Amino acid sequence: RKEVEQDPGPFNVPEGATVAFNCTYSNSASQSFFWYRQDCRKEPKLLMSVYSSGNEDGRFTAQLNRASQYISLLIRDSKLSDSATYLCVVSNPQNDYKLSFGAGTTVTVRA
Amino acid sequence: SQTIHQWPATLVQPVGSPLSLECTVEGTSNPNLYWYRQAAGRGLQLLFYSVGIGQISSEVPQNLSASRPQDRQFILSSKKLLLSDSGFYLCAWSVNSQPQHFGDGTRLSIL
Repeated sequence: RKEVEQDPGPFNVPEGATVAFNCTYSNSASQSFFWYRQDCRKEPKLLMSVYSSGNEDGRFTAQLNRASQYISLLIRDSKLSDSATYLCVVSNPQNDYKLSFGAGTTVTVRA
Repeated sequence: SQTIHQWPATLVQPVGSPLSLECTVEGTSNPNLYWYRQAAGRGLQLLFYSVGIGQISSEVPQNLSASRPQDRQFILSSKKLLLSDSGFYLCAWSVNSQPQHFGDGTRLSIL
């Protein structure tokens, strides 16, 4: 089983719509969770950390469900510039220096 | 603020040729440094990481090697490239282990 699994999508949504997607992780002892954004042929960039109580950053909301071992990302009022691949990232409980990256969920926002 | 520089941006090499990719970080001391590879449409694969000068942890047995000759310099090398070494190579840094921040990447094509 992969350490981090994501629906690859693509999620095609119109501007202004809300889009949400999840990622599941295999190790219940994982402590830190992140969402990264990767544009085509570019490096991943940290979008936001995910906290136990859930957190927002502008139009982006992240949630963590430890019982079911998944994290989610919701994007409200989608913009064309939100089109990207979103990577779910989970810490490795056996090694603080290592992160496990999902393969990404692709979101395409259309005009 | 911290910055990371990675070069070259693109590289085309023949099979069997050597490789040297360099990454440097500015604005921080004793960072953790990482080399990842991303194959087309795939997730990030951790190749090497380093928590200090001369300290290299290898994640995947292969014909690549890494070195950290200075605190903020991380080098990825190969003596003889294989076709399967093609991919997008990313250097990253972190402090206190998480999260990680990436350089612009090197797109390597092996002919």
